Amino acid sequence: EDKVVQSPLSLVVHEGDTVTLNCSYEVTNFRSLLWYKQEKKAPTFLFMLTSSGIEKKSGRLSSILDKKELFSILNITATQTGDSAVYLCAVEARGAGSYQLTFGKGTKLSVIP
Amino acid sequence: DGGITQSPKYLFRKEGQNVTLSCEQNLNHDAMYWYRQDPGQGLRLIYYSQIVNDFQKGDIAEGYSVSREKKESFPLTVTSAQKNPTAFYLCASRPARDRVYEQYFGPGTRLTVT
Repeated sequence: EDKVVQSPLSLVVHEGDTVTLNCSYEVTNFRSLLWYKQEKKAPTFLFMLTSSGIEKKSGRLSSILDKKELFSILNITATQTGDSAVYLCAVEARGAGSYQLTFGKGTKLSVIP
Repeated sequence: DGGITQSPKYLFRKEGQNVTLSCEQNLNHDAMYWYRQDPGQGLRLIYYSQIVNDFQKGDIAEGYSVSREKKESFPLTVTSAQKNPTAFYLCASRPARDRVYEQYFGPGTRLTVT
């Protein structure tokens, strides 16, 4: 059974801090790992990672994948209150004739002024 | 303006009633998905469809049913057999079933059954 584990489950930081969110996985037939941000509604896409060691960056957010050790990290620098959200990690793997996403439980990030 | 729409945003039902949640997309995506999210949990896959007139069960399909008669539409029925139907339901789609793409999500329907 495919498994995705995120840590920590929740995190409280002050504005300006840097945070690192972790995602480890055990799946068969890995294809990609995705990060989403969810603010009380639909998840919004952040990154898709398919290759090890290649950092993806968007503003203050960055992410990298290690396919040998089976994990990914999401970094947020200079956090702002608007970064408060649940960050979901999902792994896409091949099932019975199709590709499906398995989600972790998410990391709830709270940024306080 | 392309996207995924789900209606209604909030839905209240009495126990024992079937209820159908709507999901429509105008992105011309082949694959569509239904997820359930409970507090403090990630998303769990209920059903998915890779192509019109075909769909497969996900991890938690019991008590749910779907149809895919049109490419744009993938309605989910929550039946009275579903033991704990109160949850946040998310519909998603992606462009093609055989290439690497992210899934796009609709705004969700929050279902409360009392």
